[in-house]
Amino acid sequence: EVFLVESGGGLVKPGGSLRLSCAASGFTFRDHSMNWVRQPPGKGLEWVASTSTRGNYIYYSDSVRGRFTISRDNAKDSLYLQMNNLRAEDTAIYYCARDRPYAVVTDDYYFYMDVWGKGTTVTVSS
Amino acid sequence: EILMTQSPLSLPVTPGEPASISCRSSQSLLRSNGHNYLDWFLQKPGKSPQLLIYLASNRASGVPDRFSGSGSGTEFTLKISRVEAEDVGVYYCMQAQQTPPTFGGGTKVEIK
Repeated sequence: EVFLVESGGGLVKPGGSLRLSCAASGFTFRDHSMNWVRQPPGKGLEWVASTSTRGNYIYYSDSVRGRFTISRDNAKDSLYLQMNNLRAEDTAIYYCARDRPYAVVTDDYYFYMDVWGKGTTVTVSS
Repeated sequence: EILMTQSPLSLPVTPGEPASISCRSSQSLLRSNGHNYLDWFLQKPGKSPQLLIYLASNRASGVPDRFSGSGSGTEFTLKISRVEAEDVGVYYCMQAQQTPPTFGGGTKVEIK
């Protein structure tokens, strides 16, 4: 069975740092691009960042670019999110989500988030 | 950034009755390959989101066939043919036509 388990959340002061981890199991991690998606308390979903299978293509939302860094270690089946200079508005549940490729035409793939972890909670408060 | 707008915000439903959720995008999600780059997710109370529909109309693995997705361009619909009690939660549409992927604000489905 496929699992994603996030960890590393906690309470941090504004300006502080945290490193989130997502441990994957039950599938070949290196074959899948991965995402971080967050959800502020009582609010909707916001995509944060994504990385390709080898980490050579990386994308960020405008709200975190320059402060957060997504990375992966395929040897350890793990995804990471280094969060620096945290702000109160970064308070959220952070989910990691696996991309599954779907061939729409030859050599052209659509990626959809088919597996999600249970999330880890980050609270930024003084 | 593509803006996604869902309606209604809240949808009280009767078990056994149909239900419908609308999602509108600020730009077309239709690619030249003929596919609409839109997904639907359900977040049950206290749980993480789960994929229901991808590419506007393809049911994800294990999703009951009472769920169906339709639409093209900028107008999309998620339909539940006969609502069951386990379908309560917040439904989100998400566009993957361009980066960043963006979600609708969600539609809360609850039993009357």
